[in-house]
Amino acid sequence: QVQLVESGGGVVQPGRALRLSCVASGFSFSDYGMHWVRQAPGEGLEWVTSVSHDGKNKFYADSVKGRLTISRDNPKNTLYLQMNNLRADDAATYYCARDRARNGGSYSDYWGQGTLVTVSS
Amino acid sequence: DIQMTQSPSSLSASVGDRVTITCRASQDISTYLAWFQQKPGKAPKPLMYGASVLQSGVPSKFSGSRSGTDFTLTISSLQPEDFATYYCQQYHSIPFTFGPGTRLDMK
Repeated sequence: QVQLVESGGGVVQPGRALRLSCVASGFSFSDYGMHWVRQAPGEGLEWVTSVSHDGKNKFYADSVKGRLTISRDNPKNTLYLQMNNLRADDAATYYCARDRARNGGSYSDYWGQGTLVTVSS
Repeated sequence: DIQMTQSPSSLSASVGDRVTITCRASQDISTYLAWFQQKPGKAPKPLMYGASVLQSGVPSKFSGSRSGTDFTLTISSLQPEDFATYYCQQYHSIPFTFGPGTRLDMK
């Protein structure tokens, strides 16, 4: 069965960096686009970024451009989110999700359980 | 960016009721619309894509429809496990925006 397991969340000071990981299993990881979606405490869902199956095409929300970077290592079945210069409004639970298509431009049909990022001095 | 709105923002209903949630897009998104269910402390659960295509394993009491830029999610015969927050999302254009959510709770 499809499984997505995120890790790497924690407490980080404003301006510092953090890298999230998402290990995939139960499907051919290299055949699917992937997304990161976040949810601030008590708030709604916000799409953050997506990547195509081969890592060549990446898309970002304006709010994170230049600070958050999505990448993937297909042989390791792992999706990453490098988060630099973190701000208070980046605090959220971060979910990785599988895209139905190869290009990362479709619907997210499987989601991980999420990893919590807290930004605090 | 495409803006998504949902109505109502919250809804109280009883077991056995039929409820409808509406999502509106700020511009044409064809049928590139998905619905998700989320319970407290849990990840969103995909329900539907293509405005009306059920995700595998989702019961047929959930249905979706489109009229122009208006989309509806209908749940027939509510059961206790259906009380949750529901989100729509457009995946027509980057950024893939979500609606603000509709909280469905028990009357």
